[in-house]
Amino acid sequence: TQLLEQSPQFLSIQEGENLTVYCNSSSVFSSLQWYRQEPGEGPVLLVTVVTGGEVKKLKRLTFQFGDARKDSSLHITAAQPGDTGLYLCAGPYQAAGNKLTFGGGTRVLVKP
Amino acid sequence: KAGVTQTPRYLIKTRGQQVTLSCSPISGHRSVSWYQQTPGQGLQFLFEYFSETQRNKGNFPGRFSGRQFSNSRSEMNVSTLELGDSALYLCASSLKARGTYGYTFGSGTRLTVV
Repeated sequence: TQLLEQSPQFLSIQEGENLTVYCNSSSVFSSLQWYRQEPGEGPVLLVTVVTGGEVKKLKRLTFQFGDARKDSSLHITAAQPGDTGLYLCAGPYQAAGNKLTFGGGTRVLVKP
Repeated sequence: KAGVTQTPRYLIKTRGQQVTLSCSPISGHRSVSWYQQTPGQGLQFLFEYFSETQRNKGNFPGRFSGRQFSNSRSEMNVSTLELGDSALYLCASSLKARGTYGYTFGSGTRLTVV
């Protein structure tokens, strides 16, 4: 069992549809980060959420940090083929010296 | 500014050999972390260095080691390679320790052990 559980593991949608990816834990995190990774490349940081209940928007992407700081979600509006990739959530795990721990990822495919 | 540079991009080694991977962080970043990424296990933390000191270590055998130089460049070494060491090895840098506000990753080194 992963410390950060992401769901769904895989999502395939048509261009223009909306999607939501979830990141859940039984542990409290001081912050959570979201990354997108394309094949053959390293993850690219999209956003960091720090405050419980915080909502951040990045163009068509909306990120939310749960009030209890145990979960987060990423919502994409009107998805485009360029949104295709592996979405990863990550957070510093305090019980392990704050090493950055990653969820298993959600693979998103947006078909034109 | 230049991103995180990892060399080489691809590597094929034979079981039992050893390998050294290199990472040059973003200028001014003193924290460098290494991760192993495999399809089955995802991204697993290897270690983090900050100002030449190892700050944290993941659950990997002693065959995996690393170091950081005074210019913040980092290397990781894997000795006595096993087939299961085949993976994408990612280096990430951040301005502060533990990357609380996010890391910048390199493109990785794809290691194949045959």
